[in-house]
Amino acid sequence: EIVLTQSPATLSLSPGERATLSCRASQSVITYLAWYQQKPGQAPSLLIYDASNRATGIPARFSGSGSGTDFTLTISSLEPEDFAVYYCQQRSHGLTFGGGTKVEIK
Amino acid sequence: QVQVVQSGAEVKKPGASVKVSCKASGYTFSSYYLHWVRQAPGQGLEWIGINNPGGGSTSYAQKFQGRVTMTRDTSTSTVYMELSSLRSEDTAVYYCARGLSDYVYYFDFWGQGTQVTVSS
Repeated sequence: EIVLTQSPATLSLSPGERATLSCRASQSVITYLAWYQQKPGQAPSLLIYDASNRATGIPARFSGSGSGTDFTLTISSLEPEDFAVYYCQQRSHGLTFGGGTKVEIK
Repeated sequence: QVQVVQSGAEVKKPGASVKVSCKASGYTFSSYYLHWVRQAPGQGLEWIGINNPGGGSTSYAQKFQGRVTMTRDTSTSTVYMELSSLRSEDTAVYYCARGLSDYVYYFDFWGQGTQVTVSS
């Protein structure tokens, strides 16, 4: 099973700041990686798929990069609605999720 | 608009089975795969398996093989997930999620979730 490790576990930032979230795979997933946002009491929502493609309706401040084992989700300037938990997910071999990064207000 | 609506919360005793439904609307039911994902309290996400509503084929995560069955009813655009031999560790919110069109193993629309509680 491919293990996805997300870091940091918690990111404390202020609105307007840049957020950089990391997802590392235990073996190469090529670019078969997605990012989701989850707010309390809600289902996750798709942000990025295949490492760098924004899903429909996702603002340009969200971007994804990486390949192989190291991936990054960047939020260029945090809006109040961006404070949430973010998960990465791979589909290269089986399907697994990372443990999540919580982006909280500083 | 696309909607994925799940059945209500369930409370079950250890050893029992639970069957959760997921009704899809707003798109051609047979054209998109549907997945089941669960989330234990305060925990991350765990993929359970996938159903192809078009042909009925299924694939399950190894962890759940032998305990999970996914079916579909094309007449009502509904998929079902039945999990048997429940134990306390199965307490979680269970989500139905639609696979993205040409990228089947990403999820673009999610149900609201169904809380399943396993308790004696």
